[in-house]
Amino acid sequence: NAGVTQTPKFRVLKTGQSMTLLCAQDMNHEYMYWYRQDPGMGLRLIHYSVGEGTTAKGEVPDGYNVSRLKKQNFLLGLESAAPSQTSVYFCASSYPRSSLPYNEQFFGPGTRLTVL
Amino acid sequence: AQTVTQSQPEMSVQEAETVTLSCTYDTSESDYYLFWYKQPPSRQMILVIRQEAYKQQNATENRFSVNFQKAAKSFSLKISDSQLGDAAMYFCAYGRNYGQNFVFGPGTRLSVLP
Repeated sequence: NAGVTQTPKFRVLKTGQSMTLLCAQDMNHEYMYWYRQDPGMGLRLIHYSVGEGTTAKGEVPDGYNVSRLKKQNFLLGLESAAPSQTSVYFCASSYPRSSLPYNEQFFGPGTRLTVL
Repeated sequence: AQTVTQSQPEMSVQEAETVTLSCTYDTSESDYYLFWYKQPPSRQMILVIRQEAYKQQNATENRFSVNFQKAAKSFSLKISDSQLGDAAMYFCAYGRNYGQNFVFGPGTRLSVLP
């Protein structure tokens, strides 16, 4: 199993450009998440999805859109990139099985995005 | 809203020694879970240890153990016999069932000195 993969690993954008980050998981997980990581602030939740076709806002959703058309994929879009969106983006997934009392998240390797 | 605080931005430990990383959190819930994640220079987030709030016994994973004080809302990580490979950012995280309330602390950068 590849686990959670992210594409691309690095990207440089100019202000105003758009792009899509792709997250894929092969663990049949129901839940998927997008975080951004900034120095001194840990990981902050951008958007998440509790199943195919559903998405919800996290802590810092402004400037981002997401889609979950297939269970294994979760896309993060930036329609008009801004320098404030320079960050490292992590995707994660989890599976809320009723037999488990907790919900460990499995992370991808991250995407480093720079907006000039 | 839940918050997670790590008051030590950086720490260092001598190889083979023991170090404790602090974490406090704020929640009004009684049923939740706490995690320590390790992020080495490769950026990959790796789960180190987890603790269920309903369990009084502190979790242990080899050289890693926690001191969970539910009333004080404290969740510290102890690393025994520190190794060079333990050098990383360590994040404390709070979660509940179904994961959408996963909250991370700002992290503690641990250096291991040879």
